[in-house]
Formats: sequence, structure tokens, C-alpha cells
Amino acid sequence: AQSVTQLDSHVSVSEGTPVLLRCNYSSSYSPSLFWYVQHPNKGLQLLLKYTSAATLVKGINGFEAEFKKSETSFHLTKPSAHMSDAAEYFCVPNRDDKIIFGKGTRLHILP
Amino acid sequence: DAGVIQSPRHEVTEMGQEVTLRCKPISGHDYLFWYRQTMMRGLELLIYFNNNVPIDDSGMPEDRFSAKMPNASFSTLKIQPSEPRDSAVYFCASSRTSGGPSSYEQYFGPGTRLTVT
Repeated sequence: AQSVTQLDSHVSVSEGTPVLLRCNYSSSYSPSLFWYVQHPNKGLQLLLKYTSAATLVKGINGFEAEFKKSETSFHLTKPSAHMSDAAEYFCVPNRDDKIIFGKGTRLHILP
Repeated sequence: DAGVIQSPRHEVTEMGQEVTLRCKPISGHDYLFWYRQTMMRGLELLIYFNNNVPIDDSGMPEDRFSAKMPNASFSTLKIQPSEPRDSAVYFCASSRTSGGPSSYEQYFGPGTRLTVT
């Protein structure tokens, strides 16, 4: 069975500092992996996706994520946080018709 | 492209009433998903359809919930009778895929905020 773990329910960073949102998946094979973002009172929007091509994936708004099979991780990073990045982020692995959302990580940006 | 359209955006109803939520997926998409989001339980997949056929409804909480997709451009989620614990934001999403929903991103609607008093 597949599962996903977002290691932090809340992350706070200062504006202009790096962002790291952690995601580990449990699977016997490499799934497709997505990061979605949800701004307050909005629907979810795709940030980036990994589908077994390049292991370093670049997404929108300066975010990127690196797929590391040996660590079963797909952490989301951004070099410099902006106030508009304050939102909830979801790591989503899926394969074989199983769609599994993590609990989400709420990113707070401190001025 | 108008994106996924959901209506109503907000619904307030009294316990025991029937509630119907509506969704229009993106044209050409063959998968449609219904989710529920609450603070306590996060985002839960309720049911999804492929080519208008329900594939997995294991997330539907109980018999009070039902979903239909009579054609490729319309789906409903009905709660009858509604209860206060059904209060949540309900999202519809669609995706286009030729080999299963696993490899393709989902496009989400803005959600319907349901309050049952």
C-alpha cells in the first residue's frame, strides 16, 4: 500500500530566506509525484510534478523539488520566500488509480 | 478555458435538508473527482469517475451521500439528509489521462463551502 508523510504540519520562515517542505512516500515502486498549493479560500493548484523523467523538477513561482528514490523523498524547496507563498502545500503520490493526499504543510512567511 | 466550475460557491442549510452540489469539469477531461476538506480530516477523496462511470466510491462516508455523472460535462454530489458534521468545503477536480489517473495532474474547482446548521 502507498502512503505519504509530510513531516511538518507547519513551517515558518522569514521573507527572503529558503523554504524546505518535506515529503516522504512509502511505495515499492516509483510513483508519480505532485506538489499542489492551496491559498486561503481557494482551490488547489498544481505546483510541479515528477513522472520519472528528470529527478529535479522545476515548478511555478520559483519552487522546485528533487526526487530521491534512495530516500523515498520528494522535498519542495524555494531559495527565497515571498509573502505570497503563504499557503498550504500538499504532496501527492499516485499510481494505479490510488490518489493519496498528505496532511498538508502550512507555510507561514514572517515579515 | 473556464476551468472546473462548481456551484453553488456557498450553501447554508438546516439539518435534515437535501443538498445538491454541482460540478462542470474541463471539456475533454475524462476523470472527475469529488473531495471533502475539513480542518479535522484534511482533504479526503470521496469518489471518482472515469468516462462518467464511478470507479471508486470507497471514500463516500455513508449512504446519505450519493454522486452521479449523467454526462461528460456534469456531475452532482447529493447529501440527503444533511447533518451538521457534513459542514466542509467540497471540491470537484478533473483530469485528462489515457492510461489511468495516476500520471496526470488534477485541475480543481474553487469549491463549495457547505454549512449545515
